[in-house]
Amino acid sequence: KQEVTQIPAALSVPEGENLVLNCSFTDSAIYNLQWFRQDPGKGLTSLLLIQSSQREQTSGRLNASLDKSSGRSTLYIAASQPGDSATYLCAVRPGSNAGKSTFGDGTTLTVKP
Amino acid sequence: KAGVTQTPRYLIKTRGQQVTLSCSPISGHRSVSWYQQTPGQGLQFLFEYFSETQRNKGNFPGRFSGRQFSNSRSEMNVSTLELGDSALYLCASKSGENIQYFGAGTRLSVL
Repeated sequence: KQEVTQIPAALSVPEGENLVLNCSFTDSAIYNLQWFRQDPGKGLTSLLLIQSSQREQTSGRLNASLDKSSGRSTLYIAASQPGDSATYLCAVRPGSNAGKSTFGDGTTLTVKP
Repeated sequence: KAGVTQTPRYLIKTRGQQVTLSCSPISGHRSVSWYQQTPGQGLQFLFEYFSETQRNKGNFPGRFSGRQFSNSRSEMNVSTLELGDSALYLCASKSGENIQYFGAGTRLSVL
């Protein structure tokens, strides 16, 4: 059974800092890994998707990496802004592309002005 | 292109009632998944539909059911509501590139 862990559960940084969020998974046979952002009481917004054959994806100030063999993904946020404050979740899809995506519990990020 | 639309946004029910939630996926998306999100359990998978067929099901009791119509719109039904069913219910449609797009959710409160 796939388990996804995100550490830390919460993170507070001053504006302008670069930061890394971590996502670990127990079963390396994945199809893809997706990072999401969730604002309080809202749905999830897709940030980046990394296919199992890829090592990283970039979008603006965000960079996500994937190391399947070690069961890890990181989300790097450059030059953080108060608007980046949200909960960040990672989700892993199984290797067969069938079945459910397994989500981590998320890291709640607060960027202080 | 319109995003994933979930209705209603908020719902208040009492124990024992039943409820139906609706999800309209992004145009062209044929896969729809439902999730329950609570502070204690996080995001838990309910079921996935593809072309009107249930493809996968999570570990929820039979009180939770769903269906998908020929236009890919999906509904989720919960019968005999319990207090513990209070949650944010999220629907996601999946593109051909396997990217999941989520709706804003339906916040269900069971009193």
